Parts: sequence; C-alpha cells; structure tokens
Amino acid sequence: QKEVEQDPGPLSVPEGAIVSLNCTYSNSAFQYFMWYRQYSRKGPELLMYTYSSGNKEDGRFTAQVDKSSKYISLFIRDSQPSDSATYLCAMSARTGGSYIPTFGRGTSLIVHP
Amino acid sequence: DGGITQSPKYLFRKEGQNVTLSCEQNLNHDAMYWYRQDPGQGLRLIYYSQIVNDFQKGDIAEGYSVSREKKESFPLTVTSAQKNPTAFYLCASSMPDGTDTQYFGPGTRLTVL
Repeated sequence: QKEVEQDPGPLSVPEGAIVSLNCTYSNSAFQYFMWYRQYSRKGPELLMYTYSSGNKEDGRFTAQVDKSSKYISLFIRDSQPSDSATYLCAMSARTGGSYIPTFGRGTSLIVHP
Repeated sequence: DGGITQSPKYLFRKEGQNVTLSCEQNLNHDAMYWYRQDPGQGLRLIYYSQIVNDFQKGDIAEGYSVSREKKESFPLTVTSAQKNPTAFYLCASSMPDGTDTQYFGPGTRLTVL
C-alpha cells in the first residue's frame, strides 16, 4: 500500500459544479497537508495548506482534514474551465529535522463549459 | 519579482551524455529540492539540501548528482548512469517557517535521444 493514495481520474464536471478531490494516507505521523494545482507542462502551484485536522477556506476552495479517518479533501465551488488541471495532495511529517512531503499521484480535473 | 527559475525549459541530449539542469531562487529560502515527475507516478524526490554545502539523497538518487555552493543555486546533473533520464524535472524551495511548505519552479523537460 502506498503511503498516499489519490485517484488519478480524470474527473470531468460541468462548469459551476462543486468538485470534491480526495486523498487517503496510511502514516499517522503526517501533520501538514497541502494541495497543489498543476497545469500541463508547468510546475505545481501551492493552493492551500493546513495543519492537523479541520477545515480551511480560501475563496472558492475549501481544504478538509480528517486525521481520524486519514482522509483529506479539497472542495472547489462554482468550478470554472480555468480550474482544469491536475491537483496533487501532499503531506509531511517531521523527519530528521525537516518536513519532506509525500505526494499523491495527482487527480486530473476537467471542467467543461 | 521573487521566485524560482529553472533553465532551460526543454533540453535534448544524446544517450551517454551528462547534462546539468539549473535551479535558482531569490526567495532567501534555506532548503531546496529536486523532483522527477513521470506520467501517472506523481513526484519522486531525487535530492534535497537544507543548507549550503550540505545535501541528502532522496528516494531515487542513483544516476544523479547535485551541488549547493550558494544559497540561491542548486544545480542537478543527470549522469550517463541514469537508466531512464527522460522526464519532467522540478526544483522547489521551502520557507524557513517550520512547515517547510514547498514552492516549485516551472520545470525542465529533459528528453534523451
């Protein structure tokens, strides 16, 4: 079992839909949880990060962490075609004095007009 | 503008040749990282450096080498010993704020012919 599992998709939704992207993990030591957006042939862009459990909202994006279930989610409200990208989850635990994240494989999202 | 730059964007090399990928940051970040991204495999850590003149191997360091002579620069050399070097290479740096949240450069696409 991989440390971080993420469904690669593609996930195809109509414009305006609410999108739910998810990751599960097995390492209970993970403390920081990140979501990155990556457009084709570009570097990943940090969207949100959260520490421990709970919700965090930023505009149309909401990140949710449930440490008891080892499950994290990213919700996108009122999705737009410009949201079409690959979304990578990442999580980290303190190792040798630093946090080195473990990445999911990414979920490809397509928002069609 | 602060950021991470990688050059070149596309690189072609003949099999058996060493090649060096450039990564520069002006964010005053202490830690820098190199990742390799292949389709469907997510990000895999090659090397990382938490401080000048020090670096550690990641999960797939074989066939790669790095140096960290300056805080701003972390070049990656792909040697002829790397069996399958064609990939998308990403450089990242992280904030010294205790979270080590990573910020990525635009990437270099290396194709070995």
